[in-house]
Amino acid sequence: QAVLTQPSSLSASPGASASLTCTLRSGINVGTYRIYWYQQKPGSPPQYLLRYKSDSDKQQGSGVPSRFSGSKDASANAGILLISGLQSEDEADYYCMIWDGSAWVFGGGTKLTV
Amino acid sequence: EVQLVESGGGLVQPGGSLRLSCAASGFTFSNYAMNWVRQAPGKGLEWVSGISSTGYSTYYADSVKGRFTISRDNSKNTLYLQMNSLRAEDTAVYYCAKVDGSWFGDRAFDMWGQGTMVIVSS
Repeated sequence: QAVLTQPSSLSASPGASASLTCTLRSGINVGTYRIYWYQQKPGSPPQYLLRYKSDSDKQQGSGVPSRFSGSKDASANAGILLISGLQSEDEADYYCMIWDGSAWVFGGGTKLTV
Repeated sequence: EVQLVESGGGLVQPGGSLRLSCAASGFTFSNYAMNWVRQAPGKGLEWVSGISSTGYSTYYADSVKGRFTISRDNSKNTLYLQMNSLRAEDTAVYYCAKVDGSWFGDRAFDMWGQGTMVIVSS
């Protein structure tokens, strides 16, 4: 079982909201980790969006619109990237990432279609 | 302008070696940890290696441990990745990424280069 699991794809309509999940493997408590989120458009390198651990430990990437936000669902053991007011330019691949103490781990990525 | 420019990619035979470079500009390179991240064609991101701002501490993914060596020359504002005993599964775009702090643990990768392609094939 992968450490971080993301749905391979998600589709949403312009103007709507999209909730992208990053589920941690059983036995790894999401509450312990900062979850980092990156956006990657075709042919471009990833760009840092934000990190979220708690409401008191979060960071928005430089220039990242506030309609991108992070949260957690403890019951699902998952980190969540919420994108509100979807725009066509939000169509991209989204990756979550955690630091496990000695290595960085990426999720498999979610392809968001708007 | 903050910029990271990778170079050194190319076609190499299995078992061969390659050295990647990442030239940094627009920020005080010696103050920040750095990482290498790769992406195989059509696949997701995979962290490869990281190094602290001073170069004293380095970390590697299990998949490259013992074959790859990360280093930096702060006088030249350059990050390196020496890749030996290359395998077909090392074929990927290799990105260098700046960390928003001197220690690379649990800090964001806030700047990425455009990447350099490495193809391992006979």
